[in-house]
Amino acid sequence: KNEVEQSPQNLTAQEGEFITINCSYSVGISALHWLQQHPGGGIVSLFMLSSGKKKHGRLIATINIQEKHSSLHITASHPRDSAVYICAVRYSGAGSYQLTFGKGTKLSVIP
Amino acid sequence: DGGITQSPKYLFRKEGQNVTLSCEQNLNHDAMYWYRQDPGQGLRLIYYSQIVNDFQKGDIAEGYSVSREKKESFPLTVTSAQKNPTAFYLCASTRLASGSTDTQYFGPGTRLTVL
Repeated sequence: KNEVEQSPQNLTAQEGEFITINCSYSVGISALHWLQQHPGGGIVSLFMLSSGKKKHGRLIATINIQEKHSSLHITASHPRDSAVYICAVRYSGAGSYQLTFGKGTKLSVIP
Repeated sequence: DGGITQSPKYLFRKEGQNVTLSCEQNLNHDAMYWYRQDPGQGLRLIYYSQIVNDFQKGDIAEGYSVSREKKESFPLTVTSAQKNPTAFYLCASTRLASGSTDTQYFGPGTRLTVL
């Protein structure tokens, strides 16, 4: 079964630290998503990428297609960044309308 | 204000009862999805619909049913046949039916507890 692996599972950081969350997958994909889930449960899409790098504010997402690996970076972390970050991929192939999700990385940023 | 609404936010049900979770979107999106989230696991797809009056089973469809009579609505019924229905349920949508390069928009979720 195609899987999405995230690391670490849990991450605690001091405010201001640079944070990296990793995601790896097993076969070719058409797109990779990074999502943010706040304690209330709602999910927000942060990035969708199929190559290279994207930046939005203090968030940066990169993907290496050859290595089947993506990273989400948060610069100058803040307590409001505390959330679960989820990686999801859409595998290539006919009829591939589904996303396969990682289990998430729980980030806690301490003031 | 465009978005996806799910109701109710919390739902309690007695064992053996069917219950329907609502999902409405005003984004004019073609495709809609239902996911289930359990502690320590990734989201899993229950059902999806790419067009009105059509839907397909996802990975864990057993014990669930859906309908798509209107573009904006995709209700999910959790039947008594679902062995372990207590979970957090999320509805999502994408602009295009193919969805391959589309952002998924998520609703706020419904937390179902079976007593």
